[in-house]
Amino acid sequence: DAKTTQPPSMDCAEGRAANLPCNHSTISGNEYVYWYRQIHSQGPQYIIHGLKNNETNEMASLIITEDRKSSTLILPHATLRDTAVYYCIVRVASYGQNFVFGPGTRLSVLP
Amino acid sequence: GAVVSQHPSWVICKSGTSVKIECRSLDFQATTMFWYRQFPKQSLMLMATSNEGSKATYEQGVEKDKFLINHASLTLSTLTVTSAHPEDSSFYICSARDLDGRANEQFFGPGTRLTVL
Repeated sequence: DAKTTQPPSMDCAEGRAANLPCNHSTISGNEYVYWYRQIHSQGPQYIIHGLKNNETNEMASLIITEDRKSSTLILPHATLRDTAVYYCIVRVASYGQNFVFGPGTRLSVLP
Repeated sequence: GAVVSQHPSWVICKSGTSVKIECRSLDFQATTMFWYRQFPKQSLMLMATSNEGSKATYEQGVEKDKFLINHASLTLSTLTVTSAHPEDSSFYICSARDLDGRANEQFFGPGTRLTVL
């Protein structure tokens, strides 16, 4: 799987949009971009994933650059409950493939 | 969405004892489950891949005789930490793939915190 690079930490004001960047310059054509988050002492929670088109769901939006070498996860209106570690992972859509977690970005939403 | 449960959610045991952790897929069948370990302030590290009806595949550096994995059914995988020691204290997380779902969907359990005294 391709490696990803994320900033170690970010702050965001409550109610503002949180934009979390991820670099994956060596991504292959068949690899998806996934975002998970982990709130303290809980298991990872799926947020969103995409291949090359931008995606949006009830939790977030995923913006993938045209060359697919980077992406941004957007939480449109961050709340205190969004404070967590956010992981950007790239992997092929293969049944037997696990997820390789990097250190992620620790997002702190401030009141 | 699909739900994965773990039991117990936390356990405290004495050094030298064995602890069993269960991972269940509640509303789907999972041929493959994964076991991760997470030490404080670190990321998740894959320990092993558990396949229903066959032997687990362990990652390099993970002792298969110490971390026994059994995947006897399509909804249950167990991880037994044998002769636990304080350095085995960690957060253990499992994940499962829906047999009938898309290959890119994976669901994580809530984790089990093990403390070895």
